[in-house]
Amino acid sequence: AQSVSQHNHHVILSEAASLELGCNYSYGGTVNLFWYVQYPGQHLQLLLKYFSGDPLVKGIKGFEAEFIKSKFSFNLRKPSVQWSDTAEYFCAVNLPTSGTYKYIFGTGTRLKVLA
Amino acid sequence: NAGVTQTPKFRILKIGQSMTLQCAQDMNHNYMYWYRQDPGMGLKLIYYSVGAGITDKGEVPNGYNVSRSTTEDFPLRLELAAPSQTSVYFCASSFGTYYEQYFGPGTRLTVT
Repeated sequence: AQSVSQHNHHVILSEAASLELGCNYSYGGTVNLFWYVQYPGQHLQLLLKYFSGDPLVKGIKGFEAEFIKSKFSFNLRKPSVQWSDTAEYFCAVNLPTSGTYKYIFGTGTRLKVLA
Repeated sequence: NAGVTQTPKFRILKIGQSMTLQCAQDMNHNYMYWYRQDPGMGLKLIYYSVGAGITDKGEVPNGYNVSRSTTEDFPLRLELAAPSQTSVYFCASSFGTYYEQYFGPGTRLTVT
């Protein structure tokens, strides 16, 4: 069955450390890929997205993600995290199914950045 | 432009009670979704709608009902609340299934 895996459930970093959150999906065809962020007490909002083209995608607040098709991965990165990046991060895949598109979310990675 | 709005923000229900979670969007999106979010479980799709008058079940529809009489509104109804329905509920909308979704602020529901 199609799925999205986020292997890191909890990550704790100090400010200025580099971040990489893993996301892998299981589907052999063309997909659209997303990272959403949920700050404490807030709703999910889009961080970045990949539909096609350059596999290195830049999003808001200095985040970027790289789509590696051969590894079915879409890892999120940030060179230097800030305390305000403390949030839960969700990877999502949008894939074609039965004439439409189906959204699948990962289980999320909770990031805590220590000041 | 308010985006996606949800009411109420918080609610406590007793077992067996009923309630409706309201969701509205002002972006003229045809697609709307209801998710529940449980700790460590990510988002599970309850119901979705592809336009006014058209709804369909998602991954976890049992115990819920929806209606879509207008493009703007997509209420979620719980008929006989059970403790297993304690969760945070998010409504979302999108221009189409191909595109990103816009989320509301959520409703935190506790059933005791």
